[in-house]
Amino acid sequence: DIQMTQSPSSLSASVGDRVTITCRASQAISNYLAWYQQKPGKVPKLLIYAASTLQSGVPSRFSGSGSGTDFTLTISSLQPEDVAIYYCQKYNSAPLTFGGGTKVGIK
Amino acid sequence: QVQLVESGGGLVKPGGSLRLSCAASGFSFSDYYMSWIRQAPGKGLEWVSYISGSGRTIYYADSVKGRFTISRDNAKNSLFLQMNSLRVEDTAVYYCARERVAIDYWGQGTLVTVSS
Repeated sequence: DIQMTQSPSSLSASVGDRVTITCRASQAISNYLAWYQQKPGKVPKLLIYAASTLQSGVPSRFSGSGSGTDFTLTISSLQPEDVAIYYCQKYNSAPLTFGGGTKVGIK
Repeated sequence: QVQLVESGGGLVKPGGSLRLSCAASGFSFSDYYMSWIRQAPGKGLEWVSYISGSGRTIYYADSVKGRFTISRDNAKNSLFLQMNSLRVEDTAVYYCARERVAIDYWGQGTLVTVSS
């Protein structure tokens, strides 16, 4: 089975900083990669699918890139409401594995 | 609007069984793959199983294969997860989720606690 590895596992940054999270697949998955945001005590929310397509209603400061095995989620200017855990997920074929998550906080 | 409402969670002893249900509304249920995803307390997300719109295609995570059974009733817009031989490590919030391209809608989840 394909494994999904996220890094870092946690980070703290200042408001307005550019934040980058990486997700690596153990085998190529083309662009079948999604990113989710889970705020404390809330249900996960889809941010990006097909590696780089922004889900409707998601702020434009979020962006995704990559293909094959290496993917990134970028927050161009971190806001207080972005405090959350971010997960990547492959969905090209079962099992639809999630990455371990990256906890993003504010300094 | 799309709504997914899970039910059936609770406290069960190791080796016991539970059946989770998910009532869907606001979309053409039979047109979509549906998944169950779980999250153990303080842990990350784990995909459990999915079923195609027709019910003919089904997959399970290795951790639940042979113990859990996913099914759906398109006439009643309902998704199910029959969980047998439950283990302590199955303790989690179980989410019902719709797949369009990736998971675009999630239910609020139902808590399953496996403990003696």
